[in-house]
Amino acid sequence: EPEVTQTPSHQVTQMGQEVILRCVPISNHLYFYWYRQILGQKVEFLVSFYNNEISEKSEIFDDQFSVERPDGSNFTLKIRSTKLEDSAMYFCASSRHLTQGPNYGYTFGSGTRLTVV
Amino acid sequence: GIQVEQSPPDLILQEGANSTLRCNFSDSVNNLQWFHQNPWGQLINLFYIPSGTKQNGRLSATTVATERYSLLYISSSQTTDSGVYFCAVRDGGATNKLIFGTGTLLAVQP
Repeated sequence: EPEVTQTPSHQVTQMGQEVILRCVPISNHLYFYWYRQILGQKVEFLVSFYNNEISEKSEIFDDQFSVERPDGSNFTLKIRSTKLEDSAMYFCASSRHLTQGPNYGYTFGSGTRLTVV
Repeated sequence: GIQVEQSPPDLILQEGANSTLRCNFSDSVNNLQWFHQNPWGQLINLFYIPSGTKQNGRLSATTVATERYSLLYISSSQTTDSGVYFCAVRDGGATNKLIFGTGTLLAVQP
């Protein structure tokens, strides 16, 4: 079964540093997403990306966050200047578009656990 | 926005017991998924079930979209079933994001 791949699985960074989280979505999916889960809390939507641009973002996704699809396979989340409260599990997900068929569930990657110290 | 509530928040079972987890949502949806988050934090997709009933081994799920709820049944539970179970929905509007419930923490004891 196709998978969404995320790297790294764990990352520790100093406060104020930039981090880039990487994802390889399922190849025939057209929608890409980032979600965040602070320890012990529910999974929260950050941003969705379609047709090479952001289609929707939450209020969490402020100017310190950015997303990019630098080539035909990778999808990245950049946090410019990390804060302690950015410590969380970050999940990448992808899904098909409505036009690709009826069974358009979302597939999530295994997550990147980010710790800001 | 759409609200997703799950019950119970916590559940402790003896191995071999059966359980039912519930997900209520406040508006019409065109996507509903159940996930299992294992102790390593991975989100495992269990079911894509916007309506109807599906079964996969010891797990089954039913969504009654008109009444805005979904149920996840776990039969003959095993210790490996432990973890957090989330339901997540996409509403029927233009948005494409999934909204997650608060989860049910399941502990299966040997």
